[in-house]
Parts: sequence; C-alpha cells; structure tokens
Amino acid sequence: NAGVTQTPKFRVLKTGQSMTLLCAQDMNHEYMYWYRQDPGMGLRLIHYSVGEGTTAKGEVPDGYNVSRLKKQNFLLGLESAAPSQTSVYFCASSPTGSLNQPQHFGDGTRLSIL
Amino acid sequence: GENVEQHPSTLSVQEGDSAVIKCTYSDSASNYFPWYKQELGKRPQLIIDIRSNVGEKKDQRIAVTLNKTAKHFSLHITETQPEDSAVYFCAASGNTPLVFGKGTRLSVIA
Repeated sequence: NAGVTQTPKFRVLKTGQSMTLLCAQDMNHEYMYWYRQDPGMGLRLIHYSVGEGTTAKGEVPDGYNVSRLKKQNFLLGLESAAPSQTSVYFCASSPTGSLNQPQHFGDGTRLSIL
Repeated sequence: GENVEQHPSTLSVQEGDSAVIKCTYSDSASNYFPWYKQELGKRPQLIIDIRSNVGEKKDQRIAVTLNKTAKHFSLHITETQPEDSAVYFCAASGNTPLVFGKGTRLSVIA
C-alpha cells in the first residue's frame, strides 16, 4: 500500500516551458487536492477534486490546470511556467464523505523555474 | 472565506518543557480542526484532529483544545523531546476545503 505517490520528485524548468505533475493514490479515496508550499506561507490550495471527472478551484488557481480522468489519479499542469511558480507541490487525498476528513499527503515535488 | 491565523511563528523550548501553539479561525461554519507535523524535507502528517462537538482531545503527550465561542483552538505538547522539533500546521474546514495556518517552527533544545 503505497498511499499517495507523486512524480517527479524534482524538476527544473525554464520560463515558458510546460509540464505535468502526477499524483496517484491507492486508497480508493474520493477527494484529491493539490497544494503549493512556499517559505512562511503554509500550504495553499491550488485545485481540488471531489470525484472522478470533477475539479474545483482553490485559493491560488491561476496559472495551473488540473484533470481527474481516473479516480486514482490527479494531474496538475503548468502550461507556461513562470519563476513565481517555483515551489514545493504537495498532493493529498481524503476519504469519501465530506471535505472534513484527514488528508494523506504525498512526498512532494520540488519545482524550480529558471 | 475562512482565514486561519497561527501563533507563534517560531517557538523554542527546553527538552521536557511544554509547548503551546494557538490558532484562530474566522468562519463559524468550520467544524473540523486538524493539526499536521512536518519534519524537514518530509510530507505533512496528521498528528491529531478535533471536531466541533468536542472541547478537548488527548493522545499521549499531545492534546488539542477547542473554544468555538472564541473561534480558537490550541495544540499542547507536554514533556517535549528532540524528535518533536518540526513545523506544525493547524487547519480548519467546514463547507469548504481545509485552510491552513502559516505554521509554527518548534525547536526542542536538549
């Protein structure tokens, strides 16, 4: 039981490049989330999904897109990377029922935009 | 929307002493309050949570208290040990996803 797995773990991009971060969970969780973590800012929600085929915006969605084509996967895309998107990205999942459930986090992806 | 304030941002205690971290929230509809611990370079991990129908919850050396009237909740760690050194985050949610505080860096000095 791997829990929540994020790939890649590290990536360096040039400004303007695009990339996709993958999050996979094997706990049959309905809800999935993408956060970014910057020094002194805590965890800020980018987008989230309450089920396959559904997504919603969080606190800081600009510059990102997401897709949830399969229940176990949640993809985060950067269409045109900017230096302001340099951050550590965490994916999380939580069981069905409500948003008020413990979230299980992946190990994070450290992304640098040059 | 919900706003969560967390204090202090840094906290240093001697090994064996107690540590207290406080959070306030703004949305009276919030009813779930988890605490996460994040060690350097690692993922956040849930250490304890409390729901609005409970005023206090304990798990060994860790306890959380909730005051719904004042809209604040606190994490208490007793008999601190060096392995308690980490960043701690509080969070709150109700009808919307979790909103996290900015974190408290706890250092336990041996």
